[in-house]
Amino acid sequence: GAGVSQSPSNKVTEKGKDVELRCDPISGHTALYWYRQSLGQGLEFLIYFQGNSAPDKSGLPSDRFSAERTGGSVSTLTIQRTQQEDSAVYLCASSHAPGTGSSPLHFGNGTRLTVT
Amino acid sequence: AQKVTQAQTEISVVEKEDVTLDCVYETRDTTYYLFWYKQPPSGELVFLIRRNSFDEQNEISGRYSWNFQKSTSSFNFTITASQVVDSAVYFCAPISGQGGKLIFGQGTELSVKP
Repeated sequence: GAGVSQSPSNKVTEKGKDVELRCDPISGHTALYWYRQSLGQGLEFLIYFQGNSAPDKSGLPSDRFSAERTGGSVSTLTIQRTQQEDSAVYLCASSHAPGTGSSPLHFGNGTRLTVT
Repeated sequence: AQKVTQAQTEISVVEKEDVTLDCVYETRDTTYYLFWYKQPPSGELVFLIRRNSFDEQNEISGRYSWNFQKSTSSFNFTITASQVVDSAVYFCAPISGQGGKLIFGQGTELSVKP
């Protein structure tokens, strides 16, 4: 597709369950980013991939959060043993020239996660 | 340490008024890039503009204009003759580090009333 695609668009899960969120970046974009947006916390950076490597994982809030990227394309964010405070919109973005400032990040529409 | 401040939490104007959104970016870096994004009620983040720190020339694009003053670390965004469709949350976001990740300000919610 032409834009960043995220699935599912909405996810409701019970506390303690694991969830997987998927991101399909724009074709050819080597950099991929995960952000979280929750009320009162604004937009928080979680992790950055360059190709399949994650040189910056500094934003992952706990070891319950992990992410991987395969084939330099699709990425999956996994949250284990979900807690109510994990409820948020998880946004994925991609870029073709990270760090240079010449290319903006293009965002998907996000996955709204609700933990009950 | 880097700090992005959008001091205005909410702004409400009447259609056709001009409105300026403020952003201050404090950093020790001498070269950096700043972005503005718009997030309408539908939720998607839309890129508006990119500016770099070594270009202080102000810019106008249609109803949008940008005023960057490096000496005060301010990077302000003005909408002229606002319209209801401009209602959204506006984020100022500089790039941080080698990987190009954006660090977002808290956002300014703009409400344009008819």
